[in-house]
Amino acid sequence: LAKTTQPISMDSYEGQEVNITCSHNNIATNDYITWYQQFPSQGPRFIIQGYKTKVTNEVASLFIPADRKSSTLSLPRVSLSDTAVYYCLVLPRGGTASKLTFGTGTRLQVTL
Amino acid sequence: DTEVTQTPKHLVMGMTNKKSLKCEQHMGHRAMYWYKQKAKKPPELMFVYSYEKLSINESVPSRFSPECPNSSLLNLHLHALQPEDSALYLCASSQASLLDITGGYTFGSGTRLTVV
Repeated sequence: LAKTTQPISMDSYEGQEVNITCSHNNIATNDYITWYQQFPSQGPRFIIQGYKTKVTNEVASLFIPADRKSSTLSLPRVSLSDTAVYYCLVLPRGGTASKLTFGTGTRLQVTL
Repeated sequence: DTEVTQTPKHLVMGMTNKKSLKCEQHMGHRAMYWYKQKAKKPPELMFVYSYEKLSINESVPSRFSPECPNSSLLNLHLHALQPEDSALYLCASSQASLLDITGGYTFGSGTRLTVV
């Protein structure tokens, strides 16, 4: 499984756009990229996933360059409630149930 | 129903007690997982069940015993735990085949376990 590297923490003011970049240099051809959000004392919550280029949903965008060795989670106009830990994970597409191994994640603190 | 339900939410047990954690999902997922999470650390995988069979055991001590009675239920039996086993225990489920990974993995809210 590809190892991921993210910044340990980030700070932002409410209303700003936040971009969290994840490095996954040894990503394989069949791997896809997925991001989770976790609030204290809750389970991680799926945010977004993608394979290449750009994916957008109602809460975030995911940008993946052509070489796929990194990805960027973009949170538009964050609010205080976006304060959480964000995890980037790389998983193989296809096959059977597999390990979902979390890296250290990025602790995002949003303030007024 | 798009939830994973875990009970109890909180559990305090002595080192000589036997207790069980329960997890239930009705999304038709055929893979279920147990994770352990210590404070300010990422979740660590413990067990994976695929089609009700144990497929991955991450060298977890035998004082933790998983059980998957059917496709909707997952239990974690606890016996003779140590204080260092105190943590948030998370259950998750997913499609067993990763050809369709829409929506990813669904996690429960966890059981906060304290061993005294």
